[in-house]
Amino acid sequence: QKEVEQDPGPLSVPEGAIVSLNCTYSNSAFQYFMWYRQYSRKGPELLMYTYSSGNKEDGRFTAQVDKSSKYISLFIRDSQPSDSATYLCAMSALDNNDMRFGAGTRLTVKP
Amino acid sequence: DTAVSQTPKYLVTQMGNDKSIKCEQNLGHDTMYWYKQDSKKFLKIMFSYNNKELIINETVPNRFSPKSPDKAHLNLHINSLELGDSAVYFCASSQDLSLAGGREQFFGPGTRLTVL
Repeated sequence: QKEVEQDPGPLSVPEGAIVSLNCTYSNSAFQYFMWYRQYSRKGPELLMYTYSSGNKEDGRFTAQVDKSSKYISLFIRDSQPSDSATYLCAMSALDNNDMRFGAGTRLTVKP
Repeated sequence: DTAVSQTPKYLVTQMGNDKSIKCEQNLGHDTMYWYKQDSKKFLKIMFSYNNKELIINETVPNRFSPKSPDKAHLNLHINSLELGDSAVYFCASSQDLSLAGGREQFFGPGTRLTVL
């Protein structure tokens, strides 16, 4: 079993839809959770990060962490064609910066 | 004013050759990393350097050797290239090892390596 599991998709939605992206993990030491967005032929860029459990909202994006279930989510409201990218979850433990990435979910938002 | 830059952007070479990829960051960060992203987009850490000291070395073949001449640079040298080394290699940097935003990693644009 991989430490971080993420459905690679692809996921295709119409413009304006609510998108839900998810990851599960097995290492209970993970405390720091991140979502990166990667456009085609570009490097990943940090979208959101959360520490421990809870929700965090930033504009159209909401990140949720449920440590009891070892499950994290990223919601995108009112999705736009410009949101089309690969979304990677990443996480690390408190005592190191050894970050583990999910496989990435490829999202296409159709106009 | 690119934060993390890598050269070259594309690298096509023959099996058995030795090649280097260069990385520079102008963010004043203390920690730099090399990642490998395979054809399925899976991103895996290879090395990280904190103040010129290697602190993570995953199960990477010793044909790969990181070199850090100073805090702003982390180069990756690869000996005896193999077909399986074909991938996109990303350099990244972060401020330090602290929590609260210090862990955000800034990625370079990637180097697409193709071994024939």
